[in-house]
Amino acid sequence: GAVVSQHPSWVICKSGTSVKIECRSLDFQATTMFWYRQFPKQSLMLMATSNEGSKATYEQGVEKDKFLINHASLTLSTLTVTSAHPEDSSFYICSADAGTSGYNEQFFGPGTRLTVL
Amino acid sequence: QQQVKQSPQSLIVQKGGIPIINCAYENTAFDYFPWYQQFPGKGPALLIAIRPDVSEKKEGRFTISFNKSAKQFSLHIMDSQPGDSATYFCAAIRTGRRALTFGSGTRLQVQP
Repeated sequence: GAVVSQHPSWVICKSGTSVKIECRSLDFQATTMFWYRQFPKQSLMLMATSNEGSKATYEQGVEKDKFLINHASLTLSTLTVTSAHPEDSSFYICSADAGTSGYNEQFFGPGTRLTVL
Repeated sequence: QQQVKQSPQSLIVQKGGIPIINCAYENTAFDYFPWYQQFPGKGPALLIAIRPDVSEKKEGRFTISFNKSAKQFSLHIMDSQPGDSATYFCAAIRTGRRALTFGSGTRLQVQP
């Protein structure tokens, strides 16, 4: 299957700082990328859907000014957690699909563990 | 509103046993049902998926059973192995929408 990478795999930051997480599709072009958040022993919660070259669509309850998403190319999407606080500590996972219509398999990245002190 | 309900929350079986994980959905517009396997600290990986026009799909040791009238589907793992110990998520999606709706997950432990 196709490969999706995330960087960094883990990050520790101080409260109030901003953190950028990258999601890359390595061997295919991703028209759509998704960002999920996962708390320990819980399911994946969709945060936002990003399409290349357009603004991301955020799920209800997700602060768009806090979680900035940029999908500048067909192989890269970034999530920036601005002014991070301890409650933002979580496992962030991206996924990508290569389709333009209908449903296509989503390929998940390995995740990024964010710890805010 | 939880659109895909998954049970049990956790499951322990002996090696060689057949763990069964169940999911139920509410939205009849869903038309694709994948199962994902996730190991600790890793992203989910697609195991097997089914569409509602078939009642069963088998890939290797993994089988999905689908009951459209009951709006339920389940994952069976034949001859389970300790390496199958992971968290399993069912999911659902409908044509025209790109994002998956995940179940709450089942932590499976296969004891040697």
